[in-house]
Amino acid sequence: QVQLLESGGGVVQPGRSLRLSCEASGFTFSTYGMHWVRQAPGKGLEWVAVISNDGSNKNYADSVKGRFTISRDNSKNMLYLQMSSLRLEDTAVYFCAKRRYGDYTHDHWGQGTLVTVSS
Amino acid sequence: DIVMIQSPLSLPVTPGEPASISCRSGQSLLRGNAYNYLDWYLQKPGQSPQLLIYMGSNRASGVPDRFSGSGSGTDFTLKISRVEAEDVGVYYCMQTLEIPLTFGGGTKVEIK
Repeated sequence: QVQLLESGGGVVQPGRSLRLSCEASGFTFSTYGMHWVRQAPGKGLEWVAVISNDGSNKNYADSVKGRFTISRDNSKNMLYLQMSSLRLEDTAVYFCAKRRYGDYTHDHWGQGTLVTVSS
Repeated sequence: DIVMIQSPLSLPVTPGEPASISCRSGQSLLRGNAYNYLDWYLQKPGQSPQLLIYMGSNRASGVPDRFSGSGSGTDFTLKISRVEAEDVGVYYCMQTLEIPLTFGGGTKVEIK
């Protein structure tokens, strides 16, 4: 079955960088696009970024554009989110999600990893 | 950006009774292919979100048939025919028509 396992979260100071990882299994990773979605403490869901199956196409929410970079390594079944110039408002649980073939539906989600930006 | 508005914010429900959640979008989510680009997700307490309904009315794999999605254009509804205790959590609609993808604010369903 599809499994997505995020890692890399932690406490980081404002302005610093952090890289999140998402290990995928149970499906042919190179066939599907992938998303990152975040959820600030006690708040709703916010879409962050999407990457195509081959990594050639990437899109971002305005709130992270220019600061975050989504990437993938299909040889390792890994998805990444490089976060730079972190702000207090980036504090959230970050979920990776598999994209349904043919549209942007998030059909499987990981359990999430918590990023806390604090001085 | 496409704004998504859900109502109600909170929905107390009685087990065995029906429940309904509304989602409205700031622009039509209906494409020329006759599909509505609207998903429903449920986030149970302490868990990650799970897909319930995609393309407006298609149940995801493993989702009980008491869940149904309807609507078209800008007005959508998620219905639970008979609520069960395991259905509690926060329900979100999301438009998948265009980037940036946007979620509704969520509807918290709890047992009375």
